[in-house]
Amino acid sequence: DAKTTQPNSMESNEEEPVHLPCNHSTISGTDYIHWYRQLPSQGPEYVIHGLTSNVNNRMASLAIAEDRKSSTLILHRATLRDAAVYYCILDQTGANNLFFGTGTRLTVIP
Amino acid sequence: DARVTQTPRHKVTEMGQEVTMRCQPILGHNTVFWYRQTMMQGLELLAYFRNRAPLDDSGMPKDRFSAEMPDATLATLKIQPSEPRDSAVYFCASGPGGEPNYGYTFGSGTRLTVV
Repeated sequence: DAKTTQPNSMESNEEEPVHLPCNHSTISGTDYIHWYRQLPSQGPEYVIHGLTSNVNNRMASLAIAEDRKSSTLILHRATLRDAAVYYCILDQTGANNLFFGTGTRLTVIP
Repeated sequence: DARVTQTPRHKVTEMGQEVTMRCQPILGHNTVFWYRQTMMQGLELLAYFRNRAPLDDSGMPKDRFSAEMPDATLATLKIQPSEPRDSAVYFCASGPGGEPNYGYTFGSGTRLTVV
């Protein structure tokens, strides 16, 4: 399984931007980069995904390094409801199976 | 919003009993996943199906676990016999499959406690 590495935890002040990093140095050419988050007592929730180009949606932005060995999930203005565990996952060659790592626990400080 | 529905939400059972968890994927989704989450192991992929056919169930203990899709609107995960170490939250997720232009939608999970 292609591996991703994320910091165990991060903190952010409310209403400030948050940059959540992910390293995936063994990524293959056709692996998609997915981000999910899990709020307390809920199932994981899709956030965003991309292949090579940066992506934006209503929830977040995804910045992908030119060599694709790392990516950054950007929350433009953190709110208390964004406190969750964020998972960076590789969807290997469109196999449509997602292997979750340990994720980054984001704490948002009021 | 379309939802993945899992039943029951909570289940407490005695060791040795059979447990069946059910999942109704989003209509039109052809890929279904089963995950198990514990504090120690995190989220583990147990099995997944495409067009009702099992593609990979290598993450599942074969001697006691079984996963099926009797039809496109129902996926089941059975444990027989159940053991205390099976206590976990079990999540089902569904997706449109194919080109990954869409994310997968997870249900709220079944919290299983085996005593």
